[in-house]
Amino acid sequence: AQSVTQPDIHITVSEGASLELRCNYSYGATPYLFWYVQSPGQGLQLLLKYFSGDTLVQGIKGFEAEFKRSQSSFNLRKPSVHWSDAAEYFCAVALMDSSYKLIFGSGTRLLVRP
Amino acid sequence: SAVISQKPSRDICQRGTSLTIQCQVDSQVTMMFWYRQQPGQSLTLIATANQGSEATYESGFVIDKFPISRPNLTFSTLTVSNMSPEDSSIYLCSVPPKGLNYGYTFGSGTRLTVV
Repeated sequence: AQSVTQPDIHITVSEGASLELRCNYSYGATPYLFWYVQSPGQGLQLLLKYFSGDTLVQGIKGFEAEFKRSQSSFNLRKPSVHWSDAAEYFCAVALMDSSYKLIFGSGTRLLVRP
Repeated sequence: SAVISQKPSRDICQRGTSLTIQCQVDSQVTMMFWYRQQPGQSLTLIATANQGSEATYESGFVIDKFPISRPNLTFSTLTVSNMSPEDSSIYLCSVPPKGLNYGYTFGSGTRLTVV
C-alpha cells in the first residue's frame, strides 16, 4: 500500500541554522510529491511540489526539496531557519491513478530556538 | 488554483447530535476529498466525493457515520453523525490541482469540539 513516512516527530534547530526534514514514500509509480506547512491554528500552505523534471525544486519562503528516486525520498531543506518557520510540516504523495488521492505523512513539528 | 469556502469554521456540539460541514468551490471539479485531522495528528482521508455517484470511503470510515453529499460539481457536504468526544477534530475538504503547476487546494477547515 502507498505510504509516506516522516521519521522525525520533532526537530529543534537554532535560528539561523540549516534545516533538513526527511520524507520517504512507498509508491509503485512516479509520485507527485508535496510539502505543506501548517502554523498553529492556521490552514495548510503549499511550500513546493514535484512531478517531473529537475529533481531539485524551489519553493516559497526559501525552502527547497530534492527528489531522489533511488532512495524514495523527498527531503525538505532550508539553509537558514527563521523563528517564523516554527510550524508543523507535512510531506504528501498524490496517487497518479484515477483516484488522485493525496496521502499525508505523520508530520514533523519544527521548533526554533532563539 | 481553485478557491474553497468552507463553513462553519468552528462549532461546539453536544454528543449524540450531528453537524453538517459545507464546502463551496469557485470552479467545477470532478473530485472533492474530505479529511480529518485529530488533535496533534496528521490529515487522514475520510472519503472521495464524486458528483453523481456514491462517495468512496477509506478504511475505518463508514457512510452511516460520515454521510457525504455531492449535488453538483462545485459543492459538497460532510455530516458527522451521532457525535462523541472522539470526533473532536478539524475537518477539511480539498480538491486536486487543475494542472501540474498547482497543488491541492484545501478549505480553511472546521474545528469541531464535541462535549
